Amino acid sequence: GAVVSQHPSRVICKSGTSVKIECRSLDFQATTMFWYRQFPKQSLMLMATSNEGSKATYEQGVEKDKFLINHASLTLSTLTVTSAHPEDSSFYICSASQGGETQYFGPGTRLLVL
Amino acid sequence: GIQVEQSPPDLILQEGANSTLRCNFSDSVNNLQWFHQNPWGQLINLFYIPSGTKQNGRLSATTVATERYSLLYISSSQTTDSGVYFCAVDSLMDSSYKLIFGSGTRLLVRP
Repeated sequence: GAVVSQHPSRVICKSGTSVKIECRSLDFQATTMFWYRQFPKQSLMLMATSNEGSKATYEQGVEKDKFLINHASLTLSTLTVTSAHPEDSSFYICSASQGGETQYFGPGTRLLVL
Repeated sequence: GIQVEQSPPDLILQEGANSTLRCNFSDSVNNLQWFHQNPWGQLINLFYIPSGTKQNGRLSATTVATERYSLLYISSSQTTDSGVYFCAVDSLMDSSYKLIFGSGTRLLVRP
């Protein structure tokens, strides 16, 4: 149980385009989803927290207009990187929680912006 | 905010050896989790352990909440144990349940 999927697993895009990443909880309802970013050989950094049906809460330094998060249902959250640039290339990981205890992580999405 | 420090940053073991990874945190926590990140990037939950001791096969973990540290023990290491081990905590002072990750311990087990 407690499986989280992400799609796509990897994406390459041109600079200036937008990319949408989906995060789904497959066998449970996720009241809260989290989005993290991980640069090579570094730790995970929390970008934002989203609760179903409400606006996401962004961490300090994360541009909310650049990283659009939607949590429209209890099983789906999306992260859209708008007008992507090479410095946005990273490994994006989502996690889902049923209500504040253990977080279950997706397999991640590797984004490369050319 | 809460600080999380892990040691050692890098560790090389011969297959069959035992090891202890440490996680120190600067404030009281509501939650502490240990993860293994495999070479493909997948984070695998190892333990949810805000306090006490748990064991799962060759792995065990102990968290001493009053002294603000947690230890992850790996016994009889195997090459498949290679990867990065992260400790992550959720501060008791923050009700949002967000996890703050340590910098990780990069483990290489040689055959």
